[in-house]
Amino acid sequence: TQLLEQSPQFLSIQEGENLTVYCNSSSVFSSLQWYRQEPGEGPVLLVTVVTGGEVKKLKRLTFQFGDARKDSSLHITAAQPGDTGLYLCAGAEAGGTSYGKLTFGQGTILTVHP
Amino acid sequence: EAGVVQSPRYKIIEKKQPVAFWCNPISGHNTLYWYLQNLGQGPELLIRYENEEAVDDSQLPKDRFSAERLKGVDSTLKIQPAELGDSAVYLCASSLDPPGLAAGELFFGEGSRLTVL
Repeated sequence: TQLLEQSPQFLSIQEGENLTVYCNSSSVFSSLQWYRQEPGEGPVLLVTVVTGGEVKKLKRLTFQFGDARKDSSLHITAAQPGDTGLYLCAGAEAGGTSYGKLTFGQGTILTVHP
Repeated sequence: EAGVVQSPRYKIIEKKQPVAFWCNPISGHNTLYWYLQNLGQGPELLIRYENEEAVDDSQLPKDRFSAERLKGVDSTLKIQPAELGDSAVYLCASSLDPPGLAAGELFFGEGSRLTVL
């Protein structure tokens, strides 16, 4: 099983600040997803990145997949209280007996204070 | 269109008692997952089904956990007997296709929160 390490584990910031969350692995993934989860709810997909070096933007959120497809980052510009939640990265294993398996990182708990 | 439906939302039991969780995936989704999630942590895969076949149950503690997906639609996850350490949220998810070279979107239910006393 490939491991995904997210950092930081906790992030507490003021409204309007920028932040970056990192997702790292020593293994290569065929694709990587970012999910956001609010208390009492299931995770909801934000983005899927597939190509090494790919950058995707979703309003104030920018996602990047590392060139070697081993790491990814999520950058939020001018954070708002509504961005508060648990951010999860998830990598899809490319082959072998684990083909198709989606492994989640341990998550980053983001709190944005008004 | 209805999302993934799970029940019960909350369950409190004493240790050594049995418990069962039910999941109804999105219509037409062939792939179904059961995940375990501890507070503030990422989901951990317990079992993945392609239609009615369990294609990955390597992380399922088979001495006390069992799952079934009869007819390839609804699924049930059972724990018998429950232990204190089983307290967690059990998430069910479904996807239209199995995650492959470009992982398909997983749609999650709201989860079933289990407390074992």
